[in-house]
Amino acid sequence: AQSVTQLGSHVSVSEGALVLLRCNYSSSVPPYLFWYVQYPNQGLQLLLKYTSAATLVKGINGFEAEFKKSETSFHLTKPSAHMSDAAEYFCAVSKNSGTYKYIFGTGTRLKVLA
Amino acid sequence: GAGVSQTPSNKVTEKGKYVELRCDPISGHTALYWYRQSLGQGPEFLIYFQGTGAADDSGLPNDRFFAVRPEGSVSTLKIQRTERGDSAVYLCASSRAQTSTDTQYFGPGTRLTVL
Repeated sequence: AQSVTQLGSHVSVSEGALVLLRCNYSSSVPPYLFWYVQYPNQGLQLLLKYTSAATLVKGINGFEAEFKKSETSFHLTKPSAHMSDAAEYFCAVSKNSGTYKYIFGTGTRLKVLA
Repeated sequence: GAGVSQTPSNKVTEKGKYVELRCDPISGHTALYWYRQSLGQGPEFLIYFQGTGAADDSGLPNDRFFAVRPEGSVSTLKIQRTERGDSAVYLCASSRAQTSTDTQYFGPGTRLTVL
């Protein structure tokens, strides 16, 4: 079975500071991993995805994530937070075969302080 | 091009009533997913269509929930005898599903409130 754990349901950072959102996964098969962002009253938007190519994945809006198999982690980072980054972020895992359904974490709400 | 659309955006109903939620996927996407997002939680998988058929309905919570996709495009999620616990945001996603790496594109969701 697959699962995702996001540590920290709420994270606050100052504008210009490093953003680090944590995601650990459990999977019995090589996983595919995703980060989505959800702005208020909007749908989920893909930030980036890992599909077994490069372990360091760059996404939109300056975000990136590194797949670390030894740590079963896929943490999301951004060097400098912007006010517009305030949103809820979801990590998800899927198999590389079958129905490709996503298993989501419970989400981390990012607050950016001026 | 147009993204995934869902109607209605909000639905308020009374306990015991029947509701239908509609999803219009991105044109040409063969795979369609339904998820349910309860307050403070991540989306939870309900059902997956490949074309017209439900390839995986393991996430449907009980037999009050049913979904169809008769022509391989628009899908309708149907909930009978609604209960207060069904209140959630219902999300639809579509993908090309040509390979396992294809991205799922999500609609804005339908917020269902059962009074």
